Amino acid sequence: AQTVTQSQPEMSVQEAETVTLSCTYDTSESDYYLFWYKQPPSRQMILVIRQEAYKQQNATENRFSVNFQKAAKSFSLKISDSQLGDAAMYFCAYQIRMDSNYQLIWGAGTKLIIKP
Amino acid sequence: GAGVSQSPSNKVTEKGKDVELRCDPISGHTALYWYRQRLGQGLEFLIYFQGNSAPDKSGLPSDRFSAERTGESVSTLTIQRTQQEDSAVYLCASSLSRASYEQYFGPGTRLTVT
Repeated sequence: AQTVTQSQPEMSVQEAETVTLSCTYDTSESDYYLFWYKQPPSRQMILVIRQEAYKQQNATENRFSVNFQKAAKSFSLKISDSQLGDAAMYFCAYQIRMDSNYQLIWGAGTKLIIKP
Repeated sequence: GAGVSQSPSNKVTEKGKDVELRCDPISGHTALYWYRQRLGQGLEFLIYFQGNSAPDKSGLPSDRFSAERTGESVSTLTIQRTQQEDSAVYLCASSLSRASYEQYFGPGTRLTVT
């Protein structure tokens, strides 16, 4: 069964510094998508970044980038130049494909605290 | 354009009562998902709708849970005879098609069963 593990329940970083959030997953599939979502106190789940497993190049979105290690089944998120607005719960998710159902399997989340 | 909307935003109910949660997906999105998020945890898949196909109900935790969707429009998640362990945030997401990987989430309904 596919599982997603986030081993850091909480992380804190000084504003303007860099922080890395860890995620590992387990799968026997070769083609899949991985995601990082951000959930602020408003509860709105916001897509931060995605990675297609068949792409070797790590995805980047402005200050957000990933370190995708397919063989190690690792998918960490790096946030550069941290801002107060980055404070939120961050969830790593793996997308499985069962027939036409593209459901997401989620980690337990990491709470990111930004220190001013 | 308008995003995914859910109502009510918060719902407090007594144990044993039935509740209905509503989701309005983004117009044109054929796929719709319901997830449950317990406090301090990630999301659990509940049910998936794709167009007029039979829904994938494999994530529903018990027969007290059911959901409906008419075509590609509004969906309703119903929980009968609510229990305290049903307390959670219920999130709805929609996507453009079954081949689309990106899901757009609503703000969720926080359900509290007393």
